[in-house]
Amino acid sequence: DGGITQSPKYLFRKEGQNVTLSCEQNLNHDAMYWYRQDPGQGLRLIYYSQIVNDFQKGDIAEGYSVSREKKESFPLTVTSAQKNPTAFYLCASTGQGGTNEKLFFGSGTQLSVL
Amino acid sequence: AQSVTQLGSHVSVSEGALVLLRCNYSSSVPPYLFWYVQYPNQGLQLLLKYTSAATLVKGINGFEAEFKKSETSFHLTKPSAHMSDAAEYFCAVRHTGGFKTIFGAGTRLFVKA
Repeated sequence: DGGITQSPKYLFRKEGQNVTLSCEQNLNHDAMYWYRQDPGQGLRLIYYSQIVNDFQKGDIAEGYSVSREKKESFPLTVTSAQKNPTAFYLCASTGQGGTNEKLFFGSGTQLSVL
Repeated sequence: AQSVTQLGSHVSVSEGALVLLRCNYSSSVPPYLFWYVQYPNQGLQLLLKYTSAATLVKGINGFEAEFKKSETSFHLTKPSAHMSDAAEYFCAVRHTGGFKTIFGAGTRLFVKA
């Protein structure tokens, strides 16, 4: 079955450490997204990519970086510059069918600080 | 700028009662509107979407929503709540021609036996 796979499910970061969250999709979707979810705040957009080798900052990009070297993959790195990284991170994608396309979501990664 | 406001961070209903989750949006152009549901420790799933074809939209699991332009609202309803409806619900907006989806803060639905 097609879908989005996020790994790991749980991740712990030590102070000063960079960590990378994986997101892989086999839906043949062009656009991919990273959202951060905090309790009571909904989902906030970190980065998005409409096509391979291109990506744009979302609303809360500071302290994060991404790459899009392959259509299937959109990893997110949480850098040491992100001072409050504890959150649930969701990866999503949409097809090329237009802006009324729904988002397909992965099952998320819970990042916590040790 | 687009934004979404969900009234009530928590809603509690009895099993069999009407479910009403409120969503108001602000958009300078005709929007596409979505309702998503999230079960604990999972990603979001689409319940339904409005794309200007019809103002009353029917979704999965017996949910429906009505687009009211004059009230800038897109409230989600279900006639009879089931225990399995307990989850968090998010209203979202995207304007035509855009790639960014803006989410509301979410409403957690509790269903009492």
